[in-house]
Amino acid sequence: DTEVTQTPKHLVMGMTNKKSLKCEQHMGHRAMYWYKQKAKKPPELMFVYSYEKLSINESVPSRFSPECPNSSLLNLHLHALQPEDSALYLCASSPRGQGYNQPQHFGDGTRLSIL
Amino acid sequence: AQTVTQSQPEMSVQEAETVTLSCTYDTSESNYYLFWYKQPPSRQMILVIRQEAYKQQNATENRFSVNFQKAAKSFSLKISDSQLGDTAMYFCAFMKPSDSGTYKYIFGTGTRLKVLA
Repeated sequence: DTEVTQTPKHLVMGMTNKKSLKCEQHMGHRAMYWYKQKAKKPPELMFVYSYEKLSINESVPSRFSPECPNSSLLNLHLHALQPEDSALYLCASSPRGQGYNQPQHFGDGTRLSIL
Repeated sequence: AQTVTQSQPEMSVQEAETVTLSCTYDTSESNYYLFWYKQPPSRQMILVIRQEAYKQQNATENRFSVNFQKAAKSFSLKISDSQLGDTAMYFCAFMKPSDSGTYKYIFGTGTRLKVLA
């Protein structure tokens, strides 16, 4: 059983829609991450939150908007996406803040398809 | 810039046999960390094993072990007594602190392993 829970598991949306991806962890982890993964490729880092503050934005287009309402919850708000944004979106967390070397715990991901 | 190379896009192994996945990396740093992650078709990335560069002893986790050759910048994963559940994509990853104190993974391109019955 995954300790990082992502919802929904699948999402199909049009280019004009607004939707959100949700990620939750109850392990007391203080760093949370969003990755984008295309088929047969490694994950690409998008955003990092450390102690609920955005610490890394890997030059992600503004149509992706992250939010960390509390230490257990991470959202990714989507608006006006493009077909090339279709991918698996992975959330991860790690115990300490982002300034430490530590393995990350991943969720199952949300499979996003843009029509 | 650091790079991680996995030269075997796909591999297969018979059940109960041993297989080795290769990974090489390029860095001028002396203090860093290496990881192997497994991603089954179920999609979740699962940590298999990790190695700190300052440790000479190779890490082991049950049937999984690594051969860490720091001078050669090589970090291979050996899976003993392969099981059907080991079928997955395996990613090698490198991590080190940046000047700003942040840590990010640099992933290899992955090796797709299929265990045959």
